[in-house]
Amino acid sequence: KQEVTQIPAALSVPEGENLVLNCSFTDSAIYNLQWFRQDPGKGLTSLLLIQSSQREQTSGRLNASLDKSSGRSTLYIAASQPGDSATYLCAVTGAGANNLFFGTGTRLTVIP
Amino acid sequence: GAGVSQSPRYKVAKRGQDVALRCDPISGHVSLFWYQQALGQGPEFLTYFQNEAQLDKSGLPSDRFFAERPEGSVSTLKIQRTQQEDSAVYLCASSSRTDLNYGYTFGSGTRLTVV
Repeated sequence: KQEVTQIPAALSVPEGENLVLNCSFTDSAIYNLQWFRQDPGKGLTSLLLIQSSQREQTSGRLNASLDKSSGRSTLYIAASQPGDSATYLCAVTGAGANNLFFGTGTRLTVIP
Repeated sequence: GAGVSQSPRYKVAKRGQDVALRCDPISGHVSLFWYQQALGQGPEFLTYFQNEAQLDKSGLPSDRFFAERPEGSVSTLKIQRTQQEDSAVYLCASSSRTDLNYGYTFGSGTRLTVV
């Protein structure tokens, strides 16, 4: 079964700092990898989706990379803002699977 | 509607009670998923529908859990004889495509507390 791990579990940074969130997965036979944001009491908002043939995706201040062979992805957030405070979840879709396998998330706090 | 709507937002059930959780996907969305998210954990897959067909129910934790989508739109997740370990947020997601590279829209979830 696919196992997805996210490190660190929690991160607190001052506003304006650049930061990196890490995600690793055990089975490299994936269809895609997604990064989601979850605010307290809310559903998940998709941030970036990287297909298995891609190496990275960018959206605004966010950049996600994928190294399928080593089973790793990173989410880079530039010039962090207090509004970025949320839990960030990494999820993979296994090849031939219908569903996402999620990590346990990184809870990010950006201090004004 | 503009998004995926789930009701109720909160449900408190006494142990042993049956509950029904509703998901209204975005109109016309073909694919519908249910996930269970325990406190401090990532969501875990429960079941997947393509239109009215339940194509995958491998994530349902026991035969007390049952999901349906009879007309290919609204879906209901039913939990019989609830137990404390069923306490979690139940998330519904839908997609306009069956190709999973097109992503999903998640609802805000139903928080179930079994007392």
